[in-house]
Amino acid sequence: AQSVTQPDIHITVSEGASLELRCNYSYGATPYLFWYVQSPGQGLQLLLKYFSGDTLVQGIKGFEAEFKRSQSSFNLRKPSVHWSDAAEYFCAVVYNNNDMRFGAGTRLTVKP
Amino acid sequence: DAGVIQSPRHEVTEMGQEVTLRCKPISGHDYLFWYRQTMMRGLELLIYFNNNVPIDDSGMPEDRFSAKMPNASFSTLKIQPSEPRDSAVYFCASSLVTGFYNEQFFGPGTRLTVL
Repeated sequence: AQSVTQPDIHITVSEGASLELRCNYSYGATPYLFWYVQSPGQGLQLLLKYFSGDTLVQGIKGFEAEFKRSQSSFNLRKPSVHWSDAAEYFCAVVYNNNDMRFGAGTRLTVKP
Repeated sequence: DAGVIQSPRHEVTEMGQEVTLRCKPISGHDYLFWYRQTMMRGLELLIYFNNNVPIDDSGMPEDRFSAKMPNASFSTLKIQPSEPRDSAVYFCASSLVTGFYNEQFFGPGTRLTVL
């Protein structure tokens, strides 16, 4: 069955440190992949998406993600985290054109 | 554009009461999605519309839930009768023509508490 896994429920990093949030999916073909961010009390906002082509995609707010087919992963990265990045991050996958699944989310805390 | 608008932002009701959540999508968007977010189940797609027509309601948990989109600028999600396990944040989102492949713009959500 198709699934999206975000192994880390909660991550804490220091401001200025690098960040990597993990996302794995199960699917035979290449799905469509997204990362969304949810600030407290807000709806989700798209950070970036991958459909095909270059496996390293750039998004808003300085985020990037790399699609690795061999590992069925689509990890989100940022070289230097800002306090305003504290939020919940969701990986999402679209299967078969109309089946969208979200991961459970990773809550990011940024230490000063 | 003001973005996706949802009302009310918070709703507290008692078990057995009818609850109606409202959504105004971004003008020009052809797709509208209703999601439910809980700690236990995360973010779940309940139903989505394309050009005001319900396309897939397989995520609607029970017959107590119903959704309508009478026109391109308004949708409702109704729960009748409500139960405590319906307590969640309900999000509405809209997107352009290609639906799932396009960015979904989310509203701020309605936090529903059923006592």
